[in-house]
Amino acid sequence: EDKVVQSPLSLVVHEGDTVTLNCSYEVTNFRSLLWYKQEKKAPTFLFMLTSSGIEKKSGRLSSILDKKELFSILNITATQTGDSAIYLCAVDNYGQNFVFGPGTRLSVLP
Amino acid sequence: DVKVTQSSRYLVKRTGEKVFLECVQDMDHENMFWYRQDPGLGLRLIYFSYDVKMKEKGDIPEGYSVSREKKERFSLILESASTNQTSMYLCASSGQGGPTNEKLFFGSGTQLSVL
Repeated sequence: EDKVVQSPLSLVVHEGDTVTLNCSYEVTNFRSLLWYKQEKKAPTFLFMLTSSGIEKKSGRLSSILDKKELFSILNITATQTGDSAIYLCAVDNYGQNFVFGPGTRLSVLP
Repeated sequence: DVKVTQSSRYLVKRTGEKVFLECVQDMDHENMFWYRQDPGLGLRLIYFSYDVKMKEKGDIPEGYSVSREKKERFSLILESASTNQTSMYLCASSGQGGPTNEKLFFGSGTQLSVL
Protein backbone atom coordinates (compact mmCIF):
# COMPACT_ATOMS: atom_id res chain seq x y z
CA GLU A 1 0.00 0.00 0.00
CA ASP A 2 1.33 3.42 -0.96
CA LYS A 3 2.20 5.54 2.05
CA VAL A 4 3.51 9.01 2.84
CA VAL A 5 4.73 9.85 6.34
CA GLN A 6 5.49 13.31 7.65
CA SER A 7 7.31 14.39 10.77
CA PRO A 8 6.93 16.08 13.08
CA LEU A 9 3.13 16.21 13.10
CA SER A 10 3.25 19.55 14.88
CA LEU A 11 5.90 22.08 15.68
CA VAL A 12 5.98 25.33 17.63
CA VAL A 13 8.84 27.77 17.04
CA HIS A 14 9.56 31.46 17.51
CA GLU A 15 10.00 34.01 14.78
CA GLY A 16 13.47 33.90 13.32
CA ASP A 17 13.97 30.19 13.93
CA THR A 18 14.82 27.77 11.12
CA VAL A 19 12.67 24.67 10.71
CA THR A 20 13.03 21.43 8.78
CA LEU A 21 9.99 19.40 7.88
CA ASN A 22 10.36 15.79 6.82
CA CYS A 23 8.48 13.64 4.34
CA SER A 24 9.20 9.97 3.60
CA TYR A 25 7.33 7.79 1.17
CA GLU A 26 6.76 4.28 -0.09
CA VAL A 27 4.99 4.12 -3.42
CA THR A 28 4.95 1.60 -6.22
CA ASN A 29 5.55 4.10 -9.03
CA PHE A 30 7.05 7.48 -8.25
CA ARG A 31 6.59 10.44 -10.61
CA SER A 32 7.00 13.48 -8.38
CA LEU A 33 6.77 14.76 -4.82
CA LEU A 34 4.87 17.93 -4.06
CA TRP A 35 4.76 20.28 -1.09
CA TYR A 36 1.70 22.38 -0.28
CA LYS A 37 1.00 25.05 2.32
CA GLN A 38 -2.49 25.11 3.80
CA GLU A 39 -3.64 28.06 5.86
CA LYS A 40 -7.33 28.51 6.46
CA LYS A 41 -8.57 27.23 3.17
CA ALA A 42 -7.22 25.73 -0.04
CA PRO A 43 -3.74 24.16 -0.03
CA THR A 44 -1.44 26.23 -2.18
CA PHE A 45 1.38 24.76 -4.20
CA LEU A 46 4.97 25.28 -3.04
CA PHE A 47 7.28 22.88 -4.86
CA MET A 48 7.33 19.93 -7.21
CA LEU A 49 10.40 17.68 -7.02
CA THR A 50 11.22 15.00 -9.53
CA SER A 51 15.01 14.59 -9.40
CA SER A 52 17.31 13.77 -6.51
CA GLY A 53 19.73 16.30 -5.15
CA ILE A 54 18.40 19.38 -6.93
CA GLU A 55 17.31 22.02 -4.46
CA LYS A 56 14.23 24.05 -5.24
CA LYS A 57 14.15 27.47 -3.63
CA SER A 58 11.56 30.19 -3.21
CA GLY A 59 12.50 33.02 -0.88
CA ARG A 60 13.04 31.60 2.59
CA LEU A 61 11.68 28.18 1.61
CA SER A 62 13.70 25.42 0.02
CA SER A 63 13.22 21.74 -0.60
CA ILE A 64 15.21 18.77 -1.78
CA LEU A 65 14.47 15.19 -2.72
CA ASP A 66 16.43 11.98 -2.13
CA LYS A 67 15.00 9.25 -4.35
CA LYS A 68 17.42 6.65 -3.06
CA GLU A 69 16.41 7.08 0.58
CA LEU A 70 12.83 7.98 -0.38
CA PHE A 71 12.44 11.23 1.47
CA SER A 72 12.24 14.96 1.07
CA ILE A 73 12.79 17.89 3.40
CA LEU A 74 11.26 21.34 3.40
CA ASN A 75 13.35 24.06 5.07
CA ILE A 76 12.06 27.41 6.19
CA THR A 77 14.65 29.93 7.37
CA ALA A 78 14.00 33.06 9.46
CA THR A 79 10.42 31.98 10.12
CA GLN A 80 7.64 34.56 10.35
CA THR A 81 4.17 34.34 11.89
CA GLY A 82 2.79 34.18 8.35
CA ASP A 83 4.51 30.82 7.92
CA SER A 84 2.08 29.30 10.43
CA ALA A 85 0.15 26.68 8.46
CA ILE A 86 -0.21 22.99 7.78
CA TYR A 87 2.45 21.77 5.36
CA LEU A 88 1.35 18.87 3.22
CA CYS A 89 3.56 16.45 1.35
CA ALA A 90 2.10 14.44 -1.52
CA VAL A 91 3.47 11.91 -3.97
CA ASP A 92 2.23 11.49 -7.52
CA ASN A 93 2.31 7.74 -8.10
CA TYR A 94 1.42 7.70 -11.81
CA GLY A 95 -1.93 6.25 -10.88
CA GLN A 96 -3.77 9.46 -11.67
CA ASN A 97 -3.72 9.88 -7.94
CA PHE A 98 -1.76 11.77 -5.29
CA VAL A 99 -0.99 10.14 -1.96
CA PHE A 100 -0.87 12.62 0.90
CA GLY A 101 0.87 12.54 4.24
CA PRO A 102 -0.90 13.66 7.43
CA GLY A 103 0.68 17.10 7.30
CA THR A 104 2.87 19.04 9.71
CA ARG A 105 1.17 21.82 11.66
CA LEU A 106 3.66 24.65 12.12
CA SER A 107 2.99 27.43 14.59
CA VAL A 108 5.34 30.42 14.59
CA LEU A 109 5.06 32.58 17.70
CA PRO A 110 5.99 36.27 17.68
CA ASP B 1 -5.96 32.97 -12.66
CA VAL B 2 -6.83 29.30 -12.39
CA LYS B 3 -9.78 28.45 -10.25
CA VAL B 4 -11.43 25.51 -8.54
CA THR B 5 -14.69 26.57 -6.95
CA GLN B 6 -16.64 24.69 -4.33
CA SER B 7 -20.24 25.72 -3.96
CA SER B 8 -20.38 26.00 -0.18
CA ARG B 9 -17.83 26.98 2.43
CA TYR B 10 -19.85 25.67 5.39
CA LEU B 11 -22.74 23.23 5.50
CA VAL B 12 -24.77 21.88 8.39
CA LYS B 13 -26.96 18.84 7.71
CA ARG B 14 -28.96 16.34 9.71
CA THR B 15 -28.27 12.60 9.91
CA GLY B 16 -29.98 10.79 7.04
CA GLU B 17 -30.15 13.79 4.72
CA LYS B 18 -28.87 13.57 1.15
CA VAL B 19 -26.02 16.01 0.63
CA PHE B 20 -24.59 17.37 -2.60
CA LEU B 21 -21.16 19.01 -2.76
CA GLU B 22 -20.40 20.73 -6.04
CA CYS B 23 -17.04 21.53 -7.57
CA VAL B 24 -16.29 23.44 -10.77
CA GLN B 25 -12.91 24.07 -12.40
CA ASP B 26 -12.13 26.46 -15.22
CA MET B 27 -8.80 25.00 -16.35
CA ASP B 28 -10.13 22.35 -18.74
CA HIS B 29 -8.50 19.71 -16.55
CA GLU B 30 -9.16 16.05 -17.23
CA ASN B 31 -8.69 14.82 -13.66
CA MET B 32 -10.82 15.79 -10.71
CA PHE B 33 -10.65 14.55 -7.14
CA TRP B 34 -12.62 14.60 -3.91
CA TYR B 35 -10.70 14.35 -0.63
CA ARG B 36 -11.73 14.58 2.95
CA GLN B 37 -9.38 16.04 5.51
CA ASP B 38 -9.44 15.06 9.16
CA PRO B 39 -6.97 16.08 11.89
CA GLY B 40 -4.05 13.69 12.09
CA LEU B 41 -5.17 11.73 9.03
CA GLY B 42 -4.29 14.16 6.30
CA LEU B 43 -6.10 14.11 2.98
CA ARG B 44 -7.80 10.86 2.07
CA LEU B 45 -9.07 10.24 -1.43
CA ILE B 46 -12.78 9.46 -1.73
CA TYR B 47 -13.27 9.31 -5.50
CA PHE B 48 -11.59 10.64 -8.58
CA SER B 49 -12.50 11.02 -12.22
CA TYR B 50 -10.20 11.17 -15.24
CA ASP B 51 -12.84 11.93 -17.83
CA VAL B 52 -16.49 12.79 -18.25
CA LYS B 53 -18.75 10.03 -16.93
CA MET B 54 -15.70 8.13 -15.63
CA LYS B 55 -15.11 7.57 -11.93
CA GLU B 56 -12.75 5.56 -9.80
CA LYS B 57 -12.96 4.71 -6.13
CA GLY B 58 -10.31 6.11 -3.88
CA ASP B 59 -9.32 4.90 -0.46
CA ILE B 60 -12.56 5.62 1.40
CA PRO B 61 -15.52 5.54 -1.04
CA GLU B 62 -18.03 3.96 1.35
CA GLY B 63 -21.06 6.15 1.95
CA TYR B 64 -20.26 8.40 -1.03
CA SER B 65 -20.99 8.56 -4.72
CA VAL B 66 -19.93 10.99 -7.45
CA SER B 67 -21.14 12.37 -10.72
CA ARG B 68 -19.19 13.86 -13.64
CA GLU B 69 -21.63 14.77 -16.40
CA LYS B 70 -19.52 17.68 -17.69
CA LYS B 71 -15.77 18.07 -17.80
CA GLU B 72 -15.71 21.11 -15.57
CA ARG B 73 -18.00 19.81 -12.83
CA PHE B 74 -17.51 17.01 -10.31
CA SER B 75 -20.14 16.39 -7.67
CA LEU B 76 -19.83 14.45 -4.44
CA ILE B 77 -23.00 12.92 -3.04
CA LEU B 78 -23.63 11.67 0.46
CA GLU B 79 -26.67 9.44 0.01
CA SER B 80 -27.57 9.40 3.71
CA ALA B 81 -25.33 11.61 5.79
CA SER B 82 -23.95 10.25 9.03
CA THR B 83 -22.13 11.95 11.88
CA ASN B 84 -18.83 10.26 10.94
CA GLN B 85 -18.94 12.15 7.66
CA THR B 86 -18.44 15.42 9.49
CA SER B 87 -15.23 16.65 7.90
CA MET B 88 -13.53 19.16 5.62
CA TYR B 89 -14.10 18.19 1.98
CA LEU B 90 -11.60 19.36 -0.61
CA CYS B 91 -12.05 19.20 -4.36
CA ALA B 92 -9.00 19.30 -6.64
CA SER B 93 -8.16 19.06 -10.31
CA SER B 94 -5.11 18.35 -12.43
CA GLY B 95 -4.28 18.20 -16.09
CA GLN B 96 -2.36 15.65 -18.12
CA GLY B 97 0.95 16.06 -19.82
CA GLY B 98 3.74 18.43 -18.95
CA PRO B 99 5.10 19.36 -15.53
CA THR B 100 2.88 22.37 -15.02
CA ASN B 101 -0.21 20.30 -15.58
CA GLU B 102 0.66 17.66 -13.07
CA LYS B 103 0.09 19.79 -10.01
CA LEU B 104 -3.10 19.56 -8.04
CA PHE B 105 -5.16 22.71 -7.76
CA PHE B 106 -7.52 22.84 -4.81
CA GLY B 107 -10.82 24.46 -4.07
CA SER B 108 -11.33 26.34 -0.81
CA GLY B 109 -12.97 23.41 0.90
CA THR B 110 -16.40 22.72 2.38
CA GLN B 111 -16.63 22.19 6.13
CA LEU B 112 -19.55 19.80 6.55
CA SER B 113 -21.12 19.19 9.93
CA VAL B 114 -23.64 16.36 10.25
CA LEU B 115 -25.76 16.60 13.38
